[in-house]
Amino acid sequence: DQQVKQNSPSLSVQEGRISILNCDYTNSMFDYFLWYKKYPAEGPTFLISISSIKDKNEDGRFTVFLNKSAKHLSLHIVPSQPGDSAVYFCAATGRTSNTGKLIFGQGTTLQVKP
Amino acid sequence: DAGVIQSPRHEVTEMGQEVTLRCKPISGHNSLFWYRQTMMRGLELLIYFNNNVPIDDSGMPEDRFSAKMPNASFSTLKIQPSEPRDSAVYFCASSPNDDSYNEQFFGPGTRLTVL
Repeated sequence: DQQVKQNSPSLSVQEGRISILNCDYTNSMFDYFLWYKKYPAEGPTFLISISSIKDKNEDGRFTVFLNKSAKHLSLHIVPSQPGDSAVYFCAATGRTSNTGKLIFGQGTTLQVKP
Repeated sequence: DAGVIQSPRHEVTEMGQEVTLRCKPISGHNSLFWYRQTMMRGLELLIYFNNNVPIDDSGMPEDRFSAKMPNASFSTLKIQPSEPRDSAVYFCASSPNDDSYNEQFFGPGTRLTVL
């Protein structure tokens, strides 16, 4: 059973526009969420994270929003650049409940067109 | 720092053969994770170690899979016997301490193809 779901396998946006990647989770014990970015033939790299005590975290062009009641988070990239084209994974864990591991979604492939 | 090192980068083998994947974590990191990436399930955690001790192996799919960490700088993931459905990209990751919510640093992965 997928506890973390990314329902959109792919997304295509124009350079300069906003990219919005979505992620849903089912386990209410999750209290920390991360986004990783993966280029072909490379391992995922950490992008941004958010704790459940916040509803927004921003780092440059990247902002993550968390809606706990809906068990939903999203990653916004503004403005999108061709170099952002990659696979994006969201991940979740439960620090306070000591579940002790990251649960990843299936990934969303983002293509930013010049 | 060289980052997490995995070998081989690509492995093609025949069904029934033994496969051994290798990982060298970042020096000083005391948590190590093995993941498998497939199209259907994304990144699945197979097993993780803290201070060379296996903490959670609930993601290991079958007895055909085994993992060891004989010391702080080396880990192996073995599949014996291998099957075509094991074809996937296998990643190793390490992190500085035993809280997996910390950033994990991934290796480049091993692409395994079982014919």
